[in-house]
Amino acid sequence: QITLKESGPTLVKPTQTLTLTCTFSGFSLSTSGVGVGWIRQPPGKALEWLALIYWNDDKRYSPSLKSRLTITKDTSKNQVVLTMTNMDPVDTATYYCAHDYGDYGFFDYWGQGTLVTVSS
Amino acid sequence: EIVMTQSPATLSVSPGERATLSCRASQSVSSNLAWYQQKPGQAPRLLIYGASTRATGIPARFSGSGSGTEFTLTISSLQSEDFAVYYCQQYNNWPALTFGGGTKVEIK
Repeated sequence: QITLKESGPTLVKPTQTLTLTCTFSGFSLSTSGVGVGWIRQPPGKALEWLALIYWNDDKRYSPSLKSRLTITKDTSKNQVVLTMTNMDPVDTATYYCAHDYGDYGFFDYWGQGTLVTVSS
Repeated sequence: EIVMTQSPATLSVSPGERATLSCRASQSVSSNLAWYQQKPGQAPRLLIYGASTRATGIPARFSGSGSGTEFTLTISSLQSEDFAVYYCQQYNNWPALTFGGGTKVEIK
């Protein structure tokens, strides 16, 4: 059974760096073809893909946010960490992590999401 | 970046009726298209991938079709639990995975 859960701060100040952790079970990021991604959703708006990391440490980023994002993995802890620098109120959103269906780029299992508010 | 455009923004349908949702890509994505369902306060749920393959556990009333730039999600007979927002997503054009703006299916 695959599960994922996001954790991190619920409130960050403008210009700060956001660090989110995705802790998962039911699969291993050392297995060929496995990937974990991050997707966000501002309140009342559509989904936006942010980043994805694969079992072989291949990392992919949204071109529009690439300069602000870093994704890493800790295989021993079954965790994926996303950092986003220079946070702005427009970054207020629910942030989801999700399991990539076998190196394709779509997501078959999702975490419950965590709402991050950017405000001074 | 490939832009995904969904229409209509809102679809009002009576229970038991058919719902047809559209998704258009700004350039060809072949069959690399997924559909998700999202209910209020919940994470998205994968319905369809490869434009027409139902994900595990998805009822047969959900079907997907299309290729290239034009795609359709059909719900053959709407059940009460199907009223939700539906998103399409292309995964053909790396590194930019992109989602559509969503279609809300509401009770008529």
